[in-house]
Amino acid sequence: KAGVTQTPRYLIKTRGQQVTLSCSPISGHRSVSWYQQTPGQGLQFLFEYFSETQRNKGNFPGRFSGRQFSNSRSEMNVSTLELGDSALYLCASSLAGVRPTNEKLFFGSGTQLSVL
Amino acid sequence: AQTVTQSQPEMSVQEAETVTLSCTYDTSENNYYLFWYKQPPSRQMILVIRQEAYKQQNATENRFSVNFQKAAKSFSLKISDSQLGDTAMYFCAFMKSGGSNYKLTFGKGTLLTVNP
Repeated sequence: KAGVTQTPRYLIKTRGQQVTLSCSPISGHRSVSWYQQTPGQGLQFLFEYFSETQRNKGNFPGRFSGRQFSNSRSEMNVSTLELGDSALYLCASSLAGVRPTNEKLFFGSGTQLSVL
Repeated sequence: AQTVTQSQPEMSVQEAETVTLSCTYDTSENNYYLFWYKQPPSRQMILVIRQEAYKQQNATENRFSVNFQKAAKSFSLKISDSQLGDTAMYFCAFMKSGGSNYKLTFGKGTLLTVNP
C-alpha cells in the first residue's frame, strides 16, 4: 500500500510569489491535514480537510489556504510569500472515523519550501 | 489550549543501552491521546507509539514503551536495546478525543543520537 505522497520535495520561490503544494493520501483515507515545521516554531497545525470540507484550522493568516478534491487528494496554497514562510510542509492522512479511537495519522516526507 | 513540553533538546545513548525521553503536557481535557513520533533525516514523521488517556496500562511496541502518568501529565518514552537506526528527532504529541479532532499539538522535539 503506497504511503502519503507529497510533491514536490523541494521548492524555491521568491518573495511575493505564490506556491501550491500537493498531497496524495493513503488509499481509503479521507482526512488530510497539513503542518508547518520550522526550526524556531517547531511543528504547527495549519488545517485539516475531510470529504472536501475544512474541519479544523490553525492560527495562520489568510494567505494560507487549502482544498481537498473528491478523491481525497489535497492541495495547499500560500500567496504573497514571505521569507518567514520558508519551512518544511508536512501532510498527514488518516481514515477519520467518527471517533479517532484507533486512528493513526500517517505523514508524508514533506515539501521543503525556501523563499528567497 | 494544549501545550506539550519536551525539556531535553538533545540526548545520546550507546548502542544496546536504554534511554528515556521526557514529555509533559498541559490540558483541561479528560479524554485525549498521546503520541510519540520519530523523524529521521529522511524527514518523514513515523508513529512510534500511541496511548489513550482512558487506559491505565502503559502502551508498548517492541523495544518502545511509555510511562504514562495522567495525574502528573507526564508521558515519557523508553527505548530499550537502542539501535543505530533509532537516531532521529523524537516528538511528543497530543490530540483531543472525540468528534472530528484530528489536530496534533507537538512538543519541540528531542534529538536522539545512538552511538556505536
